[in-house]
Amino acid sequence: SDELTQPPSVSVSPGQTARITCSGDALPKQYASWYQQKPGLAPILLIHKDTERPSTTPERFSGSSSGTAVTLTIRGVQAEDEADYYCQSSDRSGIYVVFGGGTKLTVL
Amino acid sequence: QVTLKESGPVLVKPTETLTLTCTVSGFSLSESRMGVSWIRQPPGKALEWLAHIFSSDGKSFNTSLKSRLAISKDTSKSQVVLTVTNMDPVDTATYYCARVIVGVLNNNYYYALDIWGQGTTVTVSS
Repeated sequence: SDELTQPPSVSVSPGQTARITCSGDALPKQYASWYQQKPGLAPILLIHKDTERPSTTPERFSGSSSGTAVTLTIRGVQAEDEADYYCQSSDRSGIYVVFGGGTKLTVL
Repeated sequence: QVTLKESGPVLVKPTETLTLTCTVSGFSLSESRMGVSWIRQPPGKALEWLAHIFSSDGKSFNTSLKSRLAISKDTSKSQVVLTVTNMDPVDTATYYCARVIVGVLNNNYYYALDIWGQGTTVTVSS
């Protein structure tokens, strides 16, 4: 399957580290991106090519990849990081774009 | 500054065809390795990729919706048009367009939707 699976929710206290995983059979072959979406707003690109961070993304956000999973790590979580996070990649052929189901990050 | 803006009807009736336009600025639809994707998000649900089109005029569509989707571009007008036929209430969603950068690295594809429009909400109801 070329689907991407994310946990529906992750909770973390301020200042702690949050990790959001995304798994999919195509991930060893295709790169992943991560997006942050706050209520009522369009998504924002956080990470691309598994680990690359655009200049606008705060350094506390990082991406990693291992086998059939990619992980978004947020170090020193802040209240403003409370949002939905989506992973995105492509199918094994590289033709179609696929999004994960999204993970709601709650900052306790 | 790169911007994208969606436009189209707010309300469509079941069975009608939806036509959405994405007007871009700050980049050209003829730039290589760049294209425009359409993505939708039903209320309270996840993002769903619909289609994309590239400078080469290459196109791809969500396989589940392929029979209902069409995408085209007018480079001179900096516009990308998405049509969705036979609209149904389940197609009620916010529709986004986004610039997509595509490439191949180490034989692996990457897609990065780096700039998004603000989205346009479409309701399907009689």
